[in-house]
Amino acid sequence: SQELEQSPQSLIVQEGKNLTINCTSSKTLYGLYWYKQKYGEGLIFLMMLQKGGEEKSHEKITAKLDEKKQQSSLHITASQPSHAGIYLCGAEDYGQNFVFGPGTRLSVLP
Amino acid sequence: NAGVTQTPKFQVLKTGQSMTLQCAQDMNHEYMSWYRQDPGMGLRLIHYSVGAGITDQGEVPNGYNVSRSTTEDFPLRLLSAAPSQTSVYFCASSGTRPGYTFGSGTRLTVV
Repeated sequence: SQELEQSPQSLIVQEGKNLTINCTSSKTLYGLYWYKQKYGEGLIFLMMLQKGGEEKSHEKITAKLDEKKQQSSLHITASQPSHAGIYLCGAEDYGQNFVFGPGTRLSVLP
Repeated sequence: NAGVTQTPKFQVLKTGQSMTLQCAQDMNHEYMSWYRQDPGMGLRLIHYSVGAGITDQGEVPNGYNVSRSTTEDFPLRLLSAAPSQTSVYFCASSGTRPGYTFGSGTRLTVV
């Protein structure tokens, strides 16, 4: 079955700093999703990448899917306290199941 | 507002008790699923359904039952609660557009 790893596990940055979160798959990705979760809340869909080399942006968050389609990175520019939360990558495996990475906990210090 | 509604938000059970976690969506999504989230392990799929009357097991189905009698509802039943089932449970649905819509979660503690 497909497995997703994320790095780092947790991240503390000063407000205004840039940061990157990585998601690596054990198999070729056919659809890679990024979600954000705040404590006690459900997951919020950020964006989905399908094509190798694809890059999408949502406000100050940019995600890329590498050419080999086994890794994705999420980059936040000029981080703000509102960016704090847990970021999860997810992917559909061949059995129509959806698998998630373990998540990256982001804290942004004002 | 359209979305996924989970109830209850919090629940404490004694070992051996049974209960049902409710999940309802009003977006006419065919695909619904249940996940549990445990520290350091991310989300794990319990059961899923691709439409009314159709359910299947995910990664960690033991101790849980589901049914899908309508498109809107996908309840998760704990047959005999165990401390290992202490977790946060998320229900999710998906339609034709990419991405999943998640409920706000149910925090379950089994003592």
